[in-house]
Amino acid sequence: TQLLEQSPQFLSIQEGENLTVYCNSSSVFSSLQWYRQEPGEGPVLLVTVVTGGEVKKLKRLTFQFGDARKDSSLHITAAQPGDTGLYLCAGRRDSNYQLIWGAGTKLIIKP
Amino acid sequence: DAGVTQSPTHLIKTRGQHVTLRCSPISGHKSVSWYQQVLGQGPQFIFQYYEKEERGRGNFPDRFSARQFPNYSSELNVNALLLGDSALYLCASSLDLGGVQPQHFGDGTRLSIL
Repeated sequence: TQLLEQSPQFLSIQEGENLTVYCNSSSVFSSLQWYRQEPGEGPVLLVTVVTGGEVKKLKRLTFQFGDARKDSSLHITAAQPGDTGLYLCAGRRDSNYQLIWGAGTKLIIKP
Repeated sequence: DAGVTQSPTHLIKTRGQHVTLRCSPISGHKSVSWYQQVLGQGPQFIFQYYEKEERGRGNFPDRFSARQFPNYSSELNVNALLLGDSALYLCASSLDLGGVQPQHFGDGTRLSIL
């Protein structure tokens, strides 16, 4: 059972379109991180959010942490082929240091 | 500065064998975590070590063990390999156990069990 549910599992869109990826849970997290992983490589951290309602922007990527700290979203504006990859969310519970991971969203941006 | 390095990059074993995977953290990082990532899924937490002590263990059988050395490098050992152990094994290091500390990942060891 995934404590963090990511949706959609797979998304293929044209260059220039916008998209949103979701990470949902019934549990509260003290912090949540988003990673991108490319084939043959380990995940690379994009952002960490810690405050309910927090919004962080990284160029064309906008990350939001839900008010109740149970969910998060990643919005990409004007997607580019370089955005292609597996996007993973990972949360840390208050009680321990372990990261709990979602199953990921595989994103393909077609030129 | 060198990132997290893992060795070997690829490994093929047969059922019943054992394997040792190695990880060198970023210089100055004292915490090392191990994850198993099956194709198409997110990483599953196996172990976390900090200052040479086990600080967390995921839901993996006793065939999986690990240790951290005085120089903070780490080894993951898996005994009596099963077909289901085929996966990408990722190592991640962080400065300490702090809740918002980012984890820096190596590129993993791809383990195939025949």
